[in-house]
Amino acid sequence: GENVEQHPSTLSVQEGDSAVIKCTYSDSASNYFPWYKQELGKGPQLIIDIRSNVGEKKDQRIAVTLNKTAKHFSLHITETQPEDSAVYFCAASKNTGNQFYFGTGTSLTVIP
Amino acid sequence: DSGVTQTPKHLITATGQRVTLRCSPRSGDLSVYWYQQSLDQGLQFLIQYYNGEERAKGNILERFSAQQFPDLHSELNLSSLELGDSALYFCASSVAVGEPYNEQFFGPGTRLTVL
Repeated sequence: GENVEQHPSTLSVQEGDSAVIKCTYSDSASNYFPWYKQELGKGPQLIIDIRSNVGEKKDQRIAVTLNKTAKHFSLHITETQPEDSAVYFCAASKNTGNQFYFGTGTSLTVIP
Repeated sequence: DSGVTQTPKHLITATGQRVTLRCSPRSGDLSVYWYQQSLDQGLQFLIQYYNGEERAKGNILERFSAQQFPDLHSELNLSSLELGDSALYFCASSVAVGEPYNEQFFGPGTRLTVL
């Protein structure tokens, strides 16, 4: 089955700095890679996703990059703000099953 | 607000008991997924239903079962509860399965505490 590893487990940055979270996956058949943000007491919220036919995707301050050869993908948050503080999860899935295999999460703290 | 609703929000029960968690997907979504989130295991996929039929199984214990009804809401039944079953249980839904319907939208979760 698929195995998704996520690093780092915790990350603290100063407000305005950038944050990068990295994930690797094991199954080369995985072709969809979403990122979720989970705030305390809430369910995971989709913030950005990327499909295997694309190398990079941006949405305002958030970007995701995918390297299919190396089987890794990363989340980049620029100009971080205190409201970016949350736990971020990466996931991988493939069309045949559609279920998500999640990384173990990164707790991001943005220090004002 | 994702549009996925889950009830109850909190559930406290004793070991050996049985509980039912309920999920209503977003309007129009045919597929429902159940996930368990515990401190030491992260988010683990349990089971998926698509238009009333079971589609995929993950790390779901035999003591757990689920179903999706004709109105597309789903229920997760947990029986013979153990202390280790204490966790957050999330339901997610998607329009369909496969591209381009991969996006899953998560509900707020049910926090289960087994005493």
